[in-house]
Amino acid sequence: DTAVSQTPKYLVTQMGNDKSIKCEQNLGHDTMYWYKQDSKKFLKIMFSYNNKELIINETVPNRFSPKSPDKAHLNLHINSLELGDSAVYFCASSQGTKNIQYFGAGTRLSVL
Amino acid sequence: GDSVTQMEGPVTLSEEAFLTINCTYTATGYPSLFWYVQYPGEGLQLLLKATKADDKGSNKGFEATYRKETTSFHLEKGSVQVSDSAVYFCALSESSGSRLTFGEGTQLTVNP
Repeated sequence: DTAVSQTPKYLVTQMGNDKSIKCEQNLGHDTMYWYKQDSKKFLKIMFSYNNKELIINETVPNRFSPKSPDKAHLNLHINSLELGDSAVYFCASSQGTKNIQYFGAGTRLSVL
Repeated sequence: GDSVTQMEGPVTLSEEAFLTINCTYTATGYPSLFWYVQYPGEGLQLLLKATKADDKGSNKGFEATYRKETTSFHLEKGSVQVSDSAVYFCALSESSGSRLTFGEGTQLTVNP
């Protein structure tokens, strides 16, 4: 069983579209994260939820909206996609906010 | 704010060569330090960690020592294998937890 799973693995879409990426973890963790990895492999945190509450919200355009329906899921919805949104998006989870984070395999988003 | 600086890549070595990837950090408190590895097409995996000064993290032949005096956490391996080819990320987490701050990543290629 995959511990942190993201869907889809690849997402190709046109500028201006709205898309969602889903993340689920079966580790029983209470904290989940979204990171963005750009074309130079640089990783930066976007959001973090602890027990379904938003605890980190970095300087991210408000076109990006995370939603955590329960502790095991953290989805990322992106409105009005732009070329610069092309990246690999990683979901991660941890037990508490101070422990090791476990990452999903990533979603490669390409905006044309 | 917190930051992590890694040696620039890419790094190309022959099998059985000695590996060092430098990592230095800036943090206000007493962070935990991590090395994550990303194999091609996969998410990040924790390689090793250290939570306080002079701690040595080790795993799969890799080692790194938390040096507070030089604010460094250099990754070393005595004899690399082709299967070690991957991108290596140094990261820190402040004592308050919640977020990982990553370095730029170092691409390692090991040739037979």
